[in-house]
Amino acid sequence: EVQLLESGGGLVQPGGSLRLSCAASGFTFSSYAMSWVRQAPGKGLEWVSAISGSGGSTYYADSVKGRFTISRDNSKNTLYLQMNSLRAEDTAVYYCAKDRSYTVTSSWGVWGKGTTVTVSS
Amino acid sequence: DIQMTQSPSSLSASVGDRVTITCQASQDISNYLNWYQQKPGKAPKLLIYDASNLETGVPSRFSGSGSGTDFTFTISSLQPEDIATYYCQQYDNLPPAFGPGTKVDIK
Repeated sequence: EVQLLESGGGLVQPGGSLRLSCAASGFTFSSYAMSWVRQAPGKGLEWVSAISGSGGSTYYADSVKGRFTISRDNSKNTLYLQMNSLRAEDTAVYYCAKDRSYTVTSSWGVWGKGTTVTVSS
Repeated sequence: DIQMTQSPSSLSASVGDRVTITCQASQDISNYLNWYQQKPGKAPKLLIYDASNLETGVPSRFSGSGSGTDFTFTISSLQPEDIATYYCQQYDNLPPAFGPGTKVDIK
């Protein structure tokens, strides 16, 4: 069974840092691009970042560019999101999502359950 | 960036009713459009990809159509378990963008 399990969320002060992880199982992780998508409380869905299967290509939403870094360790079947200089508006549930392809197509057939990030003093 | 709009923002219908949601892109996205279902407290679930293709395991009462800038999502016979928010999403260009969602409930 294909599964994605996010972890690493929590409460952090504005300006702080957090690293999210997404452990993948049930498929050949290195063969698929991956993305992070977030959802602020009571709001809609917002794409955050994407990475190709090899990790050689990365993409970011303007709202997080320069502050967030996406990476992957294909030997550990794990996706990461390093979040620095966090702001209140980054408060959200963060989902990792499996692309339908090796390259980034941003069409996601599998999603994790999400991890909650709260930025507050 | 491509902007997505959806209508209506919410609707209430009876069990067995046909439900239709529309989605419009700010520019031509060919058929690079998905439809997701999200139930409260849960992750989104892909229902329709490439505008009209039913994801494996999704009931056939769900369907999608359209291309270019105008798209339609239909539930042919609304069931109680279909209560959710539905989002369209374009993936023709980065950044991928979601519509604002349509909340569906039972009358």
